[in-house]
Amino acid sequence: KNQVEQSPQSLIILEGKNCTLQCNYTVSPFSNLRWYKQDTGRGPVSLTIMTFSENTKSNGRYTATLDADTKQSSLHITASQLSDSASYICVVSAGREYGNKLVFGAGTILRVKS
Amino acid sequence: GAVVSQHPSWVICKSGTSVKIECRSLDFQATTMFWYRQFPKQSLMLMATSNEGSKATYEQGVEKDKFLINHASLTLSTLTVTSAHPEDSSFYICSARAGLAGGREQFFGPGTRLTVL
Repeated sequence: KNQVEQSPQSLIILEGKNCTLQCNYTVSPFSNLRWYKQDTGRGPVSLTIMTFSENTKSNGRYTATLDADTKQSSLHITASQLSDSASYICVVSAGREYGNKLVFGAGTILRVKS
Repeated sequence: GAVVSQHPSWVICKSGTSVKIECRSLDFQATTMFWYRQFPKQSLMLMATSNEGSKATYEQGVEKDKFLINHASLTLSTLTVTSAHPEDSSFYICSARAGLAGGREQFFGPGTRLTVL
């Protein structure tokens, strides 16, 4: 069983609308939780990084939340644009005793339509 | 953010040949570099971790003799897929991390699409 589960698997929204992507994880202990955006045929690009003590972090129209008690995170995209169409990957960094390895979710594929 | 480049961005080769992929950190020194493989609609899977000047550490199930990794300098790591076969066709992504272990951010390269005919 994957230690990082993302939902939904895919999502289609209209340009200008908001959306929220979910991430549940079981990785423990963890150092930080990251959200990446991966365009088709490209490498992942970091959107946010949060340690266990942070509840929310924003990067422009992207806002990530983290509840370390329930081991859940979300990524909220505001006023979506066509260029937001990509795969969004939730990644949990395992603790230092595990070499800070990254555990990847399968991603949520977002398509923004005009 | 820091920049990591990969070369080539795509390569097509015949079965049985070897292919070398380069990963460079352009504006920082990467003490650790990682190589990932990603199949269509799947997540990134870590293949190996390499530290400059030492042998790479391979993940379980990854053949070290087939996927040769060299991290000869603080800005360059190479992955050589030896005797490539069609099942090796995949998207290979490297990442680089500066400094000591302890939550330092990894910066990903743009990936290399390998197609083995």
